[in-house]
Amino acid sequence: AQSVTQPDIHITVSEGASLELRCNYSYGATPYLFWYVQSPGQGLQLLLKYFSGDTLVQGIKGFEAEFKRSQSSFNLRKPSVHWSDAAEYFCAVVEYGNKLVFGAGTILRVKS
Amino acid sequence: DTGVSQDPRHKITKRGQNVTFRCDPISEHNRLYWYRQTLGQGPEFLTYFQNEAQLEKSRLLSDRFSAERPKGSFSTLEIQRTEQGDSAMYLCASSLQGEATEAFFGQGTRLTVV
Repeated sequence: AQSVTQPDIHITVSEGASLELRCNYSYGATPYLFWYVQSPGQGLQLLLKYFSGDTLVQGIKGFEAEFKRSQSSFNLRKPSVHWSDAAEYFCAVVEYGNKLVFGAGTILRVKS
Repeated sequence: DTGVSQDPRHKITKRGQNVTFRCDPISEHNRLYWYRQTLGQGPEFLTYFQNEAQLEKSRLLSDRFSAERPKGSFSTLEIQRTEQGDSAMYLCASSLQGEATEAFFGQGTRLTVV
């Protein structure tokens, strides 16, 4: 079965600093990968997705992610973090039937 | 379309009671998914429908759980004889049919069993 690992439970960055959230997946074939963001008490919003092609994908809110097959990684990045980016971030891989397998999430705190 | 909506947003119930949640997907989406999210964890798949057919149920879905999507539109998730371990956020998502199409999530129903 597919699995997703997000090694960092919490990350704190200063406003304006760069951000990288790590995601590693376990999947035999070419994976379909997503990053979602969740604000407290809310549902999940899609930030970006990778299906195929260019390994650097751009998303909403200035986020990007890079697919690296050799490292089984799909790390999320943002060059300059805003206070409004504070939330929980989930990496996910698609299974058969379009079901999503999520990582445990990384909580991002932004300090001013 | 206002997106995926779930009702209620919050539910507090006593152990042993039955509860039912409703999900209204995006109207043209024929796939509907239920996930459960406990504190500190990512969402976990429970079950999904394609139109009115329930195509898969996770082993997490015990016999006390039942989901329906009678006309291929809205869906209900019922939990019978609730237990404290059922306390979680229940998330509904919908998507178009197809490989790796984007799933849109509702805001969830927060269940607290006391």
